[in-house]
Amino acid sequence: EDQVTQSPEALRLQEGESSSLNCSYTVSGLRGLFWYRQDPGKGPEFLFTLYSAGEEKEKERLKATLTKKESFLHITAPKPEDSATYLCAVQAVNSGYALNFGKGTSLLVTP
Amino acid sequence: DAGVIQSPRHEVTEMGQEVTLRCKPISGHDYLFWYRQTMMRGLELLIYFNNNVPIDDSGMPEDRFSAKMPNASFSTLKIQPSEPRDSAVYFCASSQKAGSTGELFFGEGSRLTVL
Repeated sequence: EDQVTQSPEALRLQEGESSSLNCSYTVSGLRGLFWYRQDPGKGPEFLFTLYSAGEEKEKERLKATLTKKESFLHITAPKPEDSATYLCAVQAVNSGYALNFGKGTSLLVTP
Repeated sequence: DAGVIQSPRHEVTEMGQEVTLRCKPISGHDYLFWYRQTMMRGLELLIYFNNNVPIDDSGMPEDRFSAKMPNASFSTLKIQPSEPRDSAVYFCASSQKAGSTGELFFGEGSRLTVL
């Protein structure tokens, strides 16, 4: 069975303090790994898709990387507006087009 | 485009009552997903459709849950009878590229409370 585990559950950073969020996954055959951002009271919003080990994607202060067992979301010099829950999801080759989500990391960036 | 539209945004009902949640996907998207989110279990896929046809309903908890997509612009998720453990936020999402990029567009959710 596919498993997605995110750590830490919650993270508090000072503005400008860089850090990384982890997503460990177990899947029979990976079609893709996805990162989403969710603000309180809103639906998740797509950030990145990664397909193969070694791939990296960047968007503003965020960079996502992928290995065969885990993905990292690196946040460089975060700002308070980066505060949100970050969700990781996997799509397996043998499970159609459904995304299997982790429980997320709740990030709080303080001024 | 207005995005994925869900209604109602909030629903409070009593155990045993029927609940119907509604979703209007983004025009032109041929995949539609229903997810449920709770603190304990996170986001769980309930069912998804492709071109209005249910493809995978293995996540539907039990026979009390049913979903339909009568046309490309409308879907419903029905719970009958509802139970307190059904309390959660229910999200609808649509996609044009589910098979290639995993980019789903989510609605703002329907928060269900069953007393």
